[in-house]
Amino acid sequence: QQQVKQSPQSLIVQKGGISIINCAYENTAFDYFPWYQQFPGKGPALLIAIRPDVSEKKEGRFTISFNKSAKQFSLHIMDSQPGDSATYFCAASSGGYNKLIFGAGTRLAVHP
Amino acid sequence: NAGVTQTPKFRVLKTGQSMTLLCAQDMNHEYMYWYRQDPGMGLRLIHYSVGEGTTAKGEVPDGYNVSRLKKQNFLLGLESAAPSQTSVYFCASSSLSRGVETQYFGPGTRLLVL
Repeated sequence: QQQVKQSPQSLIVQKGGISIINCAYENTAFDYFPWYQQFPGKGPALLIAIRPDVSEKKEGRFTISFNKSAKQFSLHIMDSQPGDSATYFCAASSGGYNKLIFGAGTRLAVHP
Repeated sequence: NAGVTQTPKFRVLKTGQSMTLLCAQDMNHEYMYWYRQDPGMGLRLIHYSVGEGTTAKGEVPDGYNVSRLKKQNFLLGLESAAPSQTSVYFCASSSLSRGVETQYFGPGTRLLVL
């Protein structure tokens, strides 16, 4: 049973466009929602994270939108660049020990 | 400051062979984790540790064992490898401090079981 559902599986965006990746969760006990970015041959790295007490968090070109009632959150990449081409994972955790449940991942390709 | 390192980078095993994957971190983190990454399935937690001498099961622990004898090291063992364990394995570590939940990942170990 997949606790965090991520869509789409793959995404192609033109340079300068907006990339949007969506995630949905079931467990209302989740209280931390990070997004990780992974380049080929590398380990994932934290991109941005949000807690459910805010509806939006922005860091540079990256924004998380959070909808607690719908149990959904999304990553928006503004002015997408070819260097943003990577696989993006949403995740969620609850309680202690920072154990993360990951979505299946979205492979983003930004074309020049 | 190397962060999280993993050894080896790549390994080929025959079914039934055993091996140990080593993870080391130099950030003095309390928590350490082992994940496996398979196409279309994201990362799944195998085992984790919340401190030296402690280990606990994650989502997919069967066929794996772990040990954390030193705070900076977390070992993942496969006693009798199976083709289903062909995957990329990632180790991660994080602080126990609330508000600092970032997990730092190693570069991964690619394992092929024939």
